[in-house]
Amino acid sequence: DAKTTQPPSMDCAEGRAANLPCNHSTISGNEYVYWYRQIHSQGPQYIIHGLKNNETNEMASLIITEDRKSSTLILPHATLRDTAVYYCIVRDNFYGGATNKLIFGTGTLLAVQP
Amino acid sequence: GAVVSQHPSWVICKSGTSVKIECRSLDFQATTMFWYRQFPKQSLMLMATSNEGSKATYEQGVEKDKFLINHASLTLSTLTVTSAHPEDSSFYICSAIPGRNTDTQYFGPGTRLTVL
Repeated sequence: DAKTTQPPSMDCAEGRAANLPCNHSTISGNEYVYWYRQIHSQGPQYIIHGLKNNETNEMASLIITEDRKSSTLILPHATLRDTAVYYCIVRDNFYGGATNKLIFGTGTLLAVQP
Repeated sequence: GAVVSQHPSWVICKSGTSVKIECRSLDFQATTMFWYRQFPKQSLMLMATSNEGSKATYEQGVEKDKFLINHASLTLSTLTVTSAHPEDSSFYICSAIPGRNTDTQYFGPGTRLTVL
C-alpha cells in the first residue's frame, strides 16, 4: 500500500507557482521522498527526491518539513505543459534489488489553467 | 541521459495470441528493470522486478506463467503476455535503474495493449 496521502486534484493559474502537498506521517528514517509526474498516456517522469534537506533542480523544488511527516513539491512557474498527475512516493534508498520498488498511490491531478 | 524506450508503442491482437513488449535503456546499462501495468483512470501497479541474468521477481497476484519476463542483457528486458485475453488490455510501462550508483527509476513511454 502507498504510504502517502495527496489531494486528488488541484488547479493552478498559468505562470503562478504550483504547490503540491504530500503527507507521509509514517515515514521512517531511511526512507526518501520521491516525486514523479505522469502526463496523460505517457510513462512517469522523474522530478526530484530528497531525504530531509530541501532540494531544488531545474524542474522543481522539494520542501520537507523538519519532522519529515510531510513535504511540498513546488513548480515555480507552472505552464500548461505541467498539467499531469503528480505522485509522491516514499521508499528505502538501498541500492539494488526489491527495495528499489516504487509503490504508486493515486496522486494529485494538477490542472494548469490559462 | 537516462532514456528508456519501449516497442511497440501500441499493439492490437486477437484473443489467445501472445504479445512481446520490449524495454530498452538507450544510454545506460540497467541492472534492474521493472514492469508496471496501468488500467484506465487507475494508478500504476508493479508487476515484477527484473534483474539481468536472473529470474524475475513477481508481485503477489501476478501470474508468472502468463507474463514472461526476460532480462537477457543490461539494456533489454522483454515482457511477453501469453495467450492474451481482453482483460489483459492495459497500458504496460517499464522502468530502469541506471547502474549501481543510483536508484532513481526512469520510465519508458509505455505500450498500449488492446486484446480483441
